[in-house]
Amino acid sequence: EVRLVESGGGLIQPGGSLRLSCAASGFTFNTYWMHWVRQAPGKGLVWVSRINNDGSSTTYADSVKGRFTISRDNANNTLYLQMNSLRAEDTAVYFCVRDRFMAVPSFDSWGQGTRVTVSS
Amino acid sequence: DIQMTQSPSSLSASVGDRVIITCRTSQSISSYLNWYQQKPGKAPQLLIYGESRLQTGVPSRFSGSGSGTDFTLTISSVQPEDFATYYCQQSYSFLYTFGQGTKLEIK
Repeated sequence: EVRLVESGGGLIQPGGSLRLSCAASGFTFNTYWMHWVRQAPGKGLVWVSRINNDGSSTTYADSVKGRFTISRDNANNTLYLQMNSLRAEDTAVYFCVRDRFMAVPSFDSWGQGTRVTVSS
Repeated sequence: DIQMTQSPSSLSASVGDRVIITCRTSQSISSYLNWYQQKPGKAPQLLIYGESRLQTGVPSRFSGSGSGTDFTLTISSVQPEDFATYYCQQSYSFLYTFGQGTKLEIK
């Protein structure tokens, strides 16, 4: 069974930093691209970042570029999102997502999410 | 960036109704269009990928169609467990945009 378990969320002041983790199990982690997707309270889904299977290529949404860094540790089946210079508008539930990346990329497995609240 | 326009933003339906949700993109994305269902307090689940391919375990009352810039998600006969929010998503570009969502409510 595929499992994605996020951790690291919490309450942080504006300008602060936080690192999210996602522990993956039940599949061969180092063969899949991975993503972070967020959802602000009462709002829709917003894609944040993606990383390829070996970590050599990353992409970011404009809203987080230069502030967030996605990375992965394939030896320990873990995905990360380092978030710096946090703003109130970064407040959201952050989902770790697996990309099936077959003929058409699609997000076939999601974690339960970890909540990040940026507030003074 | 590719913009997604999903409509309607909300929809009321009765059990057994046929429901259609549409998604329009700002440029052609071939068939790189996916649909997700999200229930309150839960993570989204993949319903349809590649415009019309049903994800394993998804009931056959769900179907997708379209190509280029115009796509539809159809539920042939809405069931009580289908009341949720639905999102389209393009995976043509590496900036994987979602639509704003369609909330399907019980009439």
